[in-house]
Amino acid sequence: NAGVTQTPKFQVLKTGQSMTLQCAQDMNHNSMYWYRQDPGMGLRLIYYSASEGTTDKGEVPNGYNVSRLNKREFSLRLESAAPSQTSVYFCASSEAQSFYGYTFGSGTRLTVV
Amino acid sequence: AQKITQTQPGMFVQEKEAVTLDCTYDTSDPSYGLFWYKQPSSGEMIFLIYQGSYDQQNATEGRYSLNFQKARKSANLVISASQLGDSAMYFCAMREGLRNQGGKLIFGQGTELSVKP
Repeated sequence: NAGVTQTPKFQVLKTGQSMTLQCAQDMNHNSMYWYRQDPGMGLRLIYYSASEGTTDKGEVPNGYNVSRLNKREFSLRLESAAPSQTSVYFCASSEAQSFYGYTFGSGTRLTVV
Repeated sequence: AQKITQTQPGMFVQEKEAVTLDCTYDTSDPSYGLFWYKQPSSGEMIFLIYQGSYDQQNATEGRYSLNFQKARKSANLVISASQLGDSAMYFCAMREGLRNQGGKLIFGQGTELSVKP
């Protein structure tokens, strides 16, 4: 099925460990995004990539890095996980020149202990 | 800077009644889009409805309608004939400018709707 695929779906990390969240889309979208969702705060943008080869910081980029590997894939890396990064992470993609067509992945529930 | 505000953390509605979820926004860009998403307990984000800043008519999609009041900068979601399956978290979101900002969506804090039988 066409859409946005995130892996893994669940992850538990110890403080200080690193990990990469993977995201891939098969809709030929130019733009991709990483959000985190915390209770009472909605979805907050971490990083986004307007097109292949570009990345920009969002609202809450500290503690994260991203890589736009190609048009399909946009990964999010936690270099040294902290308990404050416990959250649900969503990847999304869209066609930048259209207001429509945002597609979200199913989310990654990350717990840092 | 763009901002989305949802002032109702939680709402209750009786089954088959209509309910309005509030959303106000702030932007200086004349070109923007407003979205509503539903997030059930399973966690996925489900697109409900979209309103463009230049659209003359309020958007409607089945039981969902968007009450767009541009001068007041509000974009309230109206759900008619509520169903038990409408119980979920609802998010209002905005995108500024067609070619600016990489197309990023900015979200409100969300409103949790509970439908009572």
